[in-house]
Amino acid sequence: GESVGLHLPTLSVQEGDNSIINCAYSNSASDYFIWYKQESGKGPQFIIDIRSNMDKRQGQRVTVLLNKTVKHLSLQIAATQPGDSAVYFCAENALGDKVIFGPGTSLSVIP
Amino acid sequence: GAGVSQSPRYKVAKRGQDVALRCDPISGHVSLFWYQQALGQGPEFLTYFQNEAQLDKSGLPSDRFFAERPEGSVSTLKIQRTQQEDSAVYLCASSLGGPRGYGYTFGSGTRLTVV
Repeated sequence: GESVGLHLPTLSVQEGDNSIINCAYSNSASDYFIWYKQESGKGPQFIIDIRSNMDKRQGQRVTVLLNKTVKHLSLQIAATQPGDSAVYFCAENALGDKVIFGPGTSLSVIP
Repeated sequence: GAGVSQSPRYKVAKRGQDVALRCDPISGHVSLFWYQQALGQGPEFLTYFQNEAQLDKSGLPSDRFFAERPEGSVSTLKIQRTQQEDSAVYLCASSLGGPRGYGYTFGSGTRLTVV
């Protein structure tokens, strides 16, 4: 069935280092992908998205890479800060409005 | 309003009790979504509205779950005869259109604990 999964459930990085969070998806019909950040006690917050006709998109300190050949998505955070500590979800969308979330990666930034 | 508002923030229900969870989306947002998030897991899709029309309810786990949005703004998720496995955070999100280009704006959720 459709599923979005993550390779690393937890990730600890030193403040100032770059973080890379990975995600695998299995639905080849998915053509739109979103990364969300969820802090404790809050709802997921949109970070960045990418359509399947792109392989890279950059935002402020974040970059999303998409490899459709191996159905892999990654989120890169530059110069990770303590405020980046949260759970990160990749999510996918095929036709329609339903967005399917993966299980999440917990990012912990060490000061 | 400035964001998606959900109430109550926390709800403790005795097994077998009925509960109603409220979502106030961002004014003017056409699309409204409900998700269920179990502890340590990603949000699971429950149902979706476009204005007052419920276009997809494929994620509702049983006929004990019912959602409505009668006037195309506020939505209520109702759970009848709650069971312990219903314990989760229920998230509401709204969007101007679909997720593409807009993303969803999520509320902080209602944490339901069934005892």
